[in-house]
Amino acid sequence: DARVTQTPRHKVTEMGQEVTMRCQPILGHNTVFWYRQTMMQGLELLAYFRNRAPLDDSGMPKDRFSAEMPDATLATLKIQPSEPRDSAVYFCATTGYYNEQFFGPGTRLTVL
Amino acid sequence: KQEVTQIPAALSVPEGENLVLNCSFTDSAIYNLQWFRQDPGKGLTSLLLIQSSQREQTSGRLNASLDKSSGRSTLYIAASQPGDSATYLCAVQGGSEKLVFGKGTKLTVNP
Repeated sequence: DARVTQTPRHKVTEMGQEVTMRCQPILGHNTVFWYRQTMMQGLELLAYFRNRAPLDDSGMPKDRFSAEMPDATLATLKIQPSEPRDSAVYFCATTGYYNEQFFGPGTRLTVL
Repeated sequence: KQEVTQIPAALSVPEGENLVLNCSFTDSAIYNLQWFRQDPGKGLTSLLLIQSSQREQTSGRLNASLDKSSGRSTLYIAASQPGDSATYLCAVQGGSEKLVFGKGTKLTVNP
């Protein structure tokens, strides 16, 4: 069953805490994207990787966000320290043939 | 900077009606255009992908067209059903693999 998986699905934390979100790409997909979705801004690209190398992270607040791909089966997005304005749904997506993007179910983050 | 606009923002129709969702983009230099569906609290499901060299793609009751020169795409849904109720998002990809999304059209199909 080829799909993008994300954990955790929901996360509630207090301001100032570290948050780590994980994504498992579809096997063989070598480009991984991180998006954030809010009611106000819609879907925003935070960063993306190809073959585990970061290609663009211009959408991320660098002082608190970091994205990595420790190996081909895992991508992580960390926020430290978290702030209430980071509350959103964070999606991971991977690219298949023809550059079609496939999305994971998302991590709903609430920072109190 | 590429901008994607979807009109209308919300649409309510009776079951069985044929309908059209619109998407426009400002920069016609695109690699492809993708239509997604998003159900409440869920991720995005890819519906159709149109390459820049193509004019349309069809999947079941869905048909998407692309007019790159005018910066427009439409998603046609035939014989709508209550299960089609969702938010439909249009996204365009330029040369950098990034997708730029519209804000979506929220569709409600009433039984």
